[in-house]
Amino acid sequence: DAKTTQPTSMDCAEGRAANLPCNHSTISGNEYVYWYRQIHSQGPQYIIHGLKNNETNEMASLIITEDRKSSTLILPHATLRDTAVYYCIVVSGTSYGKLTFGQGTILTVHP
Amino acid sequence: GAVVSQHPSWVICKSGTSVKIECRSLDFQATTMFWYRQFPKQSLMLMATSNEGSKATYEQGVEKDKFLINHASLTLSTLTVTSAHPEDSSFYICSAMDSQAGKLFFGSGTQLSVL
Repeated sequence: DAKTTQPTSMDCAEGRAANLPCNHSTISGNEYVYWYRQIHSQGPQYIIHGLKNNETNEMASLIITEDRKSSTLILPHATLRDTAVYYCIVVSGTSYGKLTFGQGTILTVHP
Repeated sequence: GAVVSQHPSWVICKSGTSVKIECRSLDFQATTMFWYRQFPKQSLMLMATSNEGSKATYEQGVEKDKFLINHASLTLSTLTVTSAHPEDSSFYICSAMDSQAGKLFFGSGTQLSVL
């Protein structure tokens, strides 16, 4: 599966949009981009995923560049409870489940 | 509500004893479950893939005789840390695949402390 690169940490003010970038320049055509987050001492929580098109759900939006080499997770109105480690993971459809977690981005939302 | 239940949430044991961690899918059948380990301030590391009715597949460097995995039913996988030592102290997390829905769900994790 393709490797991803994310900033180590980011800060965001409560109520503002949090934009978390992810580079996956070696992604192949059948690989999806998944985002999970992990709040301290809990299991990872699914946020969103996409293949080519931008996606939106009740939690977030996912913007994937046309060349698919990078993506951005957008939390439109960050709250203090969004403070977590955010993982961007690229995985092929056939091996979804066996996830390889990188170091992720520590997002801190402050008042 | 939680769709994958992991039990116990935390456990403290003496060195040399064995500890069993359970991972249950609550409202779906999971032919495949995964076990991860996470040390403090580190990311999750996949330990093994648990397959219902067959032997687990372990990642490189994970001792299969130390970390026994049993997936005897479509809703339950167990991880037994045998002869635990302080270096086995870690946060253990399972995940289960709902193949019908195409979704992966994680348990809430088990914090193991070996004294």
